[in-house]
Amino acid sequence: DAGVTQSPTHLIKTRGQQVTLRCSPKSGHDTVSWYQQALGQGPQFIFQYYEEEERQRGNFPDRFSGHQFPNYSSELNVNALLLGDSALYLCASSLAAQNTEAFFGQGTRLTVV
Amino acid sequence: AQTVTQSQPEMSVQEAETVTLSCTYDTSESDYYLFWYKQPPSRQMILVIRQEAYKQQNATENRFSVNFQKAAKSFSLKISDSQLGDAAMYFCAYTFNNAGNMLTFGGGTRLMVKP
Repeated sequence: DAGVTQSPTHLIKTRGQQVTLRCSPKSGHDTVSWYQQALGQGPQFIFQYYEEEERQRGNFPDRFSGHQFPNYSSELNVNALLLGDSALYLCASSLAAQNTEAFFGQGTRLTVV
Repeated sequence: AQTVTQSQPEMSVQEAETVTLSCTYDTSESDYYLFWYKQPPSRQMILVIRQEAYKQQNATENRFSVNFQKAAKSFSLKISDSQLGDAAMYFCAYTFNNAGNMLTFGGGTRLMVKP
């Protein structure tokens, strides 16, 4: 079992550009959540996808959008990048049933210059 | 809104000794779950231990145990017989029932283990 895999591992973008990050959930999992972790801080919830729809959303602007595919993999898109978007982006997968553990990928380090 | 607070930015422990990391949280929910995650330099969050709020018994996982004080909204992590591999960032996290594992994290505690 490969666990949760994210790509790419590192990325450098210029202000104003757009970026797409990808996540493949752990085998058998149907729910994908995205988190932003700024340097020296705890992760903050961006949004969660289940059955190809955004189920919950944290306090992030509309520049952050996502998608979930029929195979449960997910993408995070960020438009009009700002310097403040530089962070580690973590993907976590879980089962929609309650009381289950969320498994994390190793993240994508995004640097906006 | 739920909040999670870790008041110790850094902690240090001698190898083989015991250390306790603190966490407090605020919620109006009665049915919720608390977690401690470890984040080593590899960046991947690893679940250390979880506690269901309805369980009075404190969770234990080998050298890791928690002190869950529901009335005080306190959830501390005790690491016994500390090992060099325990050095990492530790995050306390919270989710409530029907939240679909949407986690609220604290700011983290960096644990250093001295040989």
